[in-house]
Amino acid sequence: NAGVMQNPRHLVRRRGQEARLRCSPVKGHSHVYWYRQLPEEGLKFMVYLQKENIIDESGMPKERFSAEFPKEGPSILRIQQVVRGDSAAYFCASSPYGQAYNEQFFGPGTRLTVL
Amino acid sequence: EDQVTQSPEALRLQEGESSSLNCSYTVSGLRGLFWYRQDPGKGPEFLFTLYSAGEEKEKERLKATLTKKESFLHITAPKPEDSATYLCAVGDGQNFVFGPGTRLSVLP
Repeated sequence: NAGVMQNPRHLVRRRGQEARLRCSPVKGHSHVYWYRQLPEEGLKFMVYLQKENIIDESGMPKERFSAEFPKEGPSILRIQQVVRGDSAAYFCASSPYGQAYNEQFFGPGTRLTVL
Repeated sequence: EDQVTQSPEALRLQEGESSSLNCSYTVSGLRGLFWYRQDPGKGPEFLFTLYSAGEEKEKERLKATLTKKESFLHITAPKPEDSATYLCAVGDGQNFVFGPGTRLSVLP
């Protein structure tokens, strides 16, 4: 039973480049959540997706950030024109049901460093 | 706005010294209270879900309890391998809101 998989585990980008983070949920889970964690800070919700739909993107910056969860393939978090402040660990979580009253299972994270 | 605070920020214990971590929350409609453990460089690992005041869950040396305003994670006779950051989160039906965590160090 594979858990949530994320790749790459580490990503280095120069300012102005694009970062693309991938997340494959637990098999059978159709709900995906993205979080950002800054050093010494808690997890901050970014976006909640269900297959082919964005359910809640209230935590995601309006500019430069986008997310998708296509019918086939992994969920993608895309950050365009990265800036130093985007450096953080980005975690993906999945659950079999939505509605934030069921536990979410997390992947190992992608650590983004912007030079 | 939902808020979650955790105390203490950091805790150092000797092996075998029991203690409790606190998670206090303000939420419009609690649908679930979740505890996670996070090791450095890794993703959070799910521990417990609590749904209603008075509920308790246990796993090895850990026991989680829930009241209407807070949850406690009790650690009995901890071992060095229990060292980690412990996160709590509340679900209000739409979102998960995480607390900042408690960094636990258990010294041999």
